[in-house]
Amino acid sequence: DAGVIQSPRHEVTEMGQEVTLRCKPISGHNSLFWYRQTMMRGLELLIYFNNNVPIDDSGMPEDRFSAKMPNASFSTLKIQPSEPRDSAVYFCASSLSSLNFYGYTFGSGTRLTVV
Amino acid sequence: KNEVEQSPQNLTAQEGEFITINCSYSVGISALHWLQQHPGGGIVSLFMLSSGKKKHGRLIATINIQEKHSSLHITASHPRDSAVYICAAAYNNNDMRFGAGTRLTVKP
Repeated sequence: DAGVIQSPRHEVTEMGQEVTLRCKPISGHNSLFWYRQTMMRGLELLIYFNNNVPIDDSGMPEDRFSAKMPNASFSTLKIQPSEPRDSAVYFCASSLSSLNFYGYTFGSGTRLTVV
Repeated sequence: KNEVEQSPQNLTAQEGEFITINCSYSVGISALHWLQQHPGGGIVSLFMLSSGKKKHGRLIATINIQEKHSSLHITASHPRDSAVYICAAAYNNNDMRFGAGTRLTVKP
């Protein structure tokens, strides 16, 4: 298995533009997590899905952020409109089981810069 | 839920030294994870613990549920172990809380 695949690896965009980050979880994993990592706040959970259903989006910073998981092999995190303070590394992770995060695996991350 | 506390924040060691990184959490968890973040940014899951001890190569992770404490040990440290090590507490409701990380530098 290729692991959790995120794209793009790097994204530079202008303030106000829409940004879409993509994630392909490991096949067979039924839980998917989106995280944001900044120097100031470290790793923060934004939202997670269990069996393609969003379970907890309380970590999503504001309405500009939205996430979808239309099927078991794909998820998107969208920021519209983007702001400079959204600049961070966004990680996606998946796990085999929602219990204990068994098989928990991170993607390589997307480094987002909003100028 | 309370925060996950890690110590030390930064650690510099000479090659070959035995290294310990500590993690404390304040409420009951379903599992504790140790993650390694390489200088390039990628994050790797090293261990998932719910009790006792696990060993993988030169890495050993222990957890004491009663004391709500976990340690990550590296034996015979090597410069390639230089990374940020992150402790993460997993809860039954799929929530996960992260420590701030320990930046380890191993000098040759």
